[in-house]
Amino acid sequence: SQTIHQWPATLVQPVGSPLSLECTVEGTSNPNLYWYRQAAGRGLQLLFYSVGIGQISSEVPQNLSASRPQDRQFILSSKKLLLSDSGFYLCAWGQTSRWYFGPGTRLTVT
Amino acid sequence: DQQVKQNSPSLSVQEGRISILNCDYTNSMFDYFLWYKKYPAEGPTFLISISSIKDKNEDGRFTVFLNKSAKHLSLHIVPSQPGDSAVYFCAARGAHGGATNKLIFGTGTLLAVQP
Repeated sequence: SQTIHQWPATLVQPVGSPLSLECTVEGTSNPNLYWYRQAAGRGLQLLFYSVGIGQISSEVPQNLSASRPQDRQFILSSKKLLLSDSGFYLCAWGQTSRWYFGPGTRLTVT
Repeated sequence: DQQVKQNSPSLSVQEGRISILNCDYTNSMFDYFLWYKKYPAEGPTFLISISSIKDKNEDGRFTVFLNKSAKHLSLHIVPSQPGDSAVYFCAARGAHGGATNKLIFGTGTLLAVQP
């Protein structure tokens, strides 16, 4: 069965500090991977997706970047965090009729 | 632009009654629709999906109805249970030219099932 790991589970970072969130997937190969964010009181916004190693597409202009160094690893980064980067970050992998989500990372930028 | 809309931010129903969660979409190119349930500080859990070529799909207490002409879908939960209390997200899959199919989410509806 497919499993998605995300870490850390929670993170509190000051404005201007760097960020690295990691996502790894088990039980599948060459998955389509996605980063979503849920801001307070909002829906799930797609940030990045990747169809393969080194292939990243950005959905919205922002202060974040993503990388896929390995087939089942997806990383979300920032060089300098903004207050508006606070939210709940979710990694997902998708196939035809369903997407599977990881447990999420709660990021608070202070 | 919001391609997937859930116009009711919250819904309260009595235990044992039917819960009906609604979703509207604007893009006629969506080919799959999914419903997810989400608890705070957890990832969404898949509930049920429907292909755009169907108008109904049923799985236990959950039934999803799709009305393509109205660009509307709904999730029915019968009977509702207190454990169903959560935020429900409607999502649509769109094929945007090529191999990548992205899932677009609505803003969610908070369902509260009263004992």
